[in-house]
Amino acid sequence: DAKTTQPTSMDCAEGRAANLPCNHSTISGNEYVYWYRQIHSQGPQYIIHGLKNNETNEMASLIITEDRKSSTLILPHATLRDTAVYYCIVRVRNSGGSNYKLTFGKGTLLTVNP
Amino acid sequence: DGGITQSPKYLFRKEGQNVTLSCEQNLNHDAMYWYRQDPGQGLRLIYYSQIVNDFQKGDIAEGYSVSREKKESFPLTVTSAQKNPTAFYLCASSIGRGRDEQFFGPGTRLTVL
Repeated sequence: DAKTTQPTSMDCAEGRAANLPCNHSTISGNEYVYWYRQIHSQGPQYIIHGLKNNETNEMASLIITEDRKSSTLILPHATLRDTAVYYCIVRVRNSGGSNYKLTFGKGTLLTVNP
Repeated sequence: DGGITQSPKYLFRKEGQNVTLSCEQNLNHDAMYWYRQDPGQGLRLIYYSQIVNDFQKGDIAEGYSVSREKKESFPLTVTSAQKNPTAFYLCASSIGRGRDEQFFGPGTRLTVL
């Protein structure tokens, strides 16, 4: 799986958009970008994933650059409950075998301030 | 409500004792996983199971054992052979069949005294 680079921490004001960047310059053509988050002392939560088109769901939007070397997760109206560590993961989808695992790095600690 | 349950949330054991962590899901998912998380670290895969009666070692399987006798259940036993068992243990499941977004339980924090 391709390696990802994320800032260690970010701050955001409540009600504003939170834009979390992720660099994955070595991504290969069949690798997807996944985002998860983990609120303190809880299990990770799946947010969104994409291949090359921008994606949106009820939680967030995912913007992937045309060269696919970086992406941005957007929380449009951050709330205090969005304070969490956000993980960007790049992996082959439907790969089977030993590639079932998710490789979580250190992620970005997003702190939403009142 | 559909979901993944892990029990208990906090577990204390004496050194040298085996302990079994429970993981149950009612999502009808084929695949289940066990991860371990240490403070300030990412998740590491212990074992995974793609289907009933089958499971595979992950990256750090030594000192752990699992079973998958039922689709809904994937218990993890932390044996006395595990050198550093104190950690946060997370169970996850995914539907399989080409859709592999993983959904996690709330976790069990194991402390070995």
